[in-house]
Amino acid sequence: EAGVAQSPRYKIIEKRQSVAFWCNPISGHATLYWYQQILGQGPKLLIQFQNNGVVDDSQLPKDRFSAERLKGVDSTLKIQPAKLEDSAVYLCASSFLETQYFGPGTRLTVL
Amino acid sequence: KNEVEQSPQNLTAQEGEFITINCSYSVGISALHWLQQHPGGGIVSLFMLSSGKKKHGRLIATINIQEKHSSLHITASHPRDSAVYICAVRVSGTSGSRLTFGEGTQLTVNP
Repeated sequence: EAGVAQSPRYKIIEKRQSVAFWCNPISGHATLYWYQQILGQGPKLLIQFQNNGVVDDSQLPKDRFSAERLKGVDSTLKIQPAKLEDSAVYLCASSFLETQYFGPGTRLTVL
Repeated sequence: KNEVEQSPQNLTAQEGEFITINCSYSVGISALHWLQQHPGGGIVSLFMLSSGKKKHGRLIATINIQEKHSSLHITASHPRDSAVYICAVRVSGTSGSRLTFGEGTQLTVNP
């Protein structure tokens, strides 16, 4: 069974630039999550989708972050404009029932 | 104060030692997860617990709901067990349930 795919794996940008991350969940998983993991900390939920609807985006900084999941499959997370404090690993996960399966993450460095 | 606290933050052991990592939480939960994160970001789910004890190979996880405490034990530790171990609790809210993560315990097992 193929796992959760994410791209790119690494991204370096300058502050105020825009960046987008892509996630392809495990086939058949209705729930998709985006997490932000700052170095030395545990992941923090940014947004949770159930199919193509948003279930929880209470911790998403909506002035600069946006996410969509068109057709209830792939998802993109965008940051516009990026700040230095956005440097982190962005993890995508999908779930069937209660077990979450994580992708390898995208490591973002904002200079 | 974080809702999920792990101890210790860092742990160094010699190969073969018995290892215990602790997790305490302050909210009502429906389940607790133990996750393993290797360098490079990949996260693997080890256990999901709502009561009692689970065992998989050399790993044992226990939970005491009354005391709001869980432990992850590794018997006969091996250098390949070196990773970050993360405790996460599932908390139900108005938007459905969400995982809240601890900051992780960095385990290094030396040969």
